Amino acid sequence: GENVEQHPSTLSVQEGDSAVIKCTYSDSASNYFPWYKQELGKRPQLIIDIRSNVGEKKDQRIAVTLNKTAKHFSLHITETQPEDSAVYFCAASDFNKLIFGAGTRLAVHP
Amino acid sequence: NAGVTQTPKFQVLKTGQSMTLQCAQDMNHNSMYWYRQDPGMGLRLIYYSASEGTTDKGEVPNGYNVSRLNKREFSLRLESAAPSQTSVYFCASSADYSGDQPQHFGDGTRLSIL
Repeated sequence: GENVEQHPSTLSVQEGDSAVIKCTYSDSASNYFPWYKQELGKRPQLIIDIRSNVGEKKDQRIAVTLNKTAKHFSLHITETQPEDSAVYFCAASDFNKLIFGAGTRLAVHP
Repeated sequence: NAGVTQTPKFQVLKTGQSMTLQCAQDMNHNSMYWYRQDPGMGLRLIYYSASEGTTDKGEVPNGYNVSRLNKREFSLRLESAAPSQTSVYFCASSADYSGDQPQHFGDGTRLSIL
């Protein structure tokens, strides 16, 4: 089955800097890669996703890139703001379900 | 539009007690999922229901049972609660079981087993 590894586990940046979180997956058949943001005590919420027929997708300050050959995908957040502080989870599809990474705790300091 | 609703929000049980966590979605989704979230371990799939009338085991099914009551509702039952089942439980739903549809999560149930 699919295995997803996520790095780093914690990330601390200054407000205005960029943040990058990377995930690798094991199953070349995976074709859907969502990213979720979870604020403290709240539900995970989808922030961006990418399908395997696309190499990059952008939504305002957030972008995701996918390298199918290397089997890794990354979340890029530019011009970080304190409200970006949260735990971010990547996931990869495994037939009819998602397998999640262990999460990255992002802290943005003013 | 409520999305995915979970009840209860908090629960404390004693070892050996049983309880059922309830989940309902109003988005006419076909697929539903139960996860547990433990510190540093992300979201681990317990059971899922690809469509009404079907259920399948996920990564960590031991100690749990599920029922897909109808298209809207998917319940998770702990028959004999153990301290290792202390966790936050999330229910999610997606439009279908193709694996390439976003999942929408409920607010979670915080469960403590003493």
